[in-house]
Amino acid sequence: DTEVTQTPKHLVMGMTNKKSLKCEQHMGHRAMYWYKQKAKKPPELMFVYSYEKLSINESVPSRFSPECPNSSLLNLHLHALQPEDSALYLCASSQVGGGLATDTQYFGPGTRLTVL
Amino acid sequence: ILNVEQSPQSLHVQEGDSTNFTCSFPSSNFYALHWYRWETAKSPEALFVMTLNGDEKKKGRISATLNTKEGYSYLYIKGSQPEDSATYLCASYAGNNRKLIWGLGTSLAVNP
Repeated sequence: DTEVTQTPKHLVMGMTNKKSLKCEQHMGHRAMYWYKQKAKKPPELMFVYSYEKLSINESVPSRFSPECPNSSLLNLHLHALQPEDSALYLCASSQVGGGLATDTQYFGPGTRLTVL
Repeated sequence: ILNVEQSPQSLHVQEGDSTNFTCSFPSSNFYALHWYRWETAKSPEALFVMTLNGDEKKKGRISATLNTKEGYSYLYIKGSQPEDSATYLCASYAGNNRKLIWGLGTSLAVNP
């Protein structure tokens, strides 16, 4: 199984809602990533988990809260988002993480988030 | 701060044409260069990881070369097919920040 799955595919939420994005991989990878991508911009790294511990937080606002319950699952909890947070949220995993330059990241198809 | 640039921004070719595009990255403190292919509504798919100056990698009709001294990589597609239509992204690994720095991509459309 070389797939990274993400749910839901689309999410529309109000600014007062609480929602979660989910990501799952069964490749035995030990690093997982959240990216945010806005139209006509490159993917922007948000968080990296390595061996289930948060290793990188790219100064993301606290209204985004990541969680890694185990090595196969990665969640992104959303609360009090702003309309400018509307974007495609991509999850990825890699075999090792931990700053290995050649570690290939495998991506899910993303969740298209719209904040009203 | 690293800047990774890709050109052209978009490209339209006819089926059967061969094509190439460029990824430029800072040559100092280079670690690795990643190429991805991203079809609409699908997951970005890893194509190549390249580290050595002069390296050339091939996957079917797609190949890539790397020049770390001058800071560029070329991606070539031989005999383009409509299924090659996608955005091709490159990313350079920034060792100081332990993350990939992405270009904006080249959007390729192959007309049948």
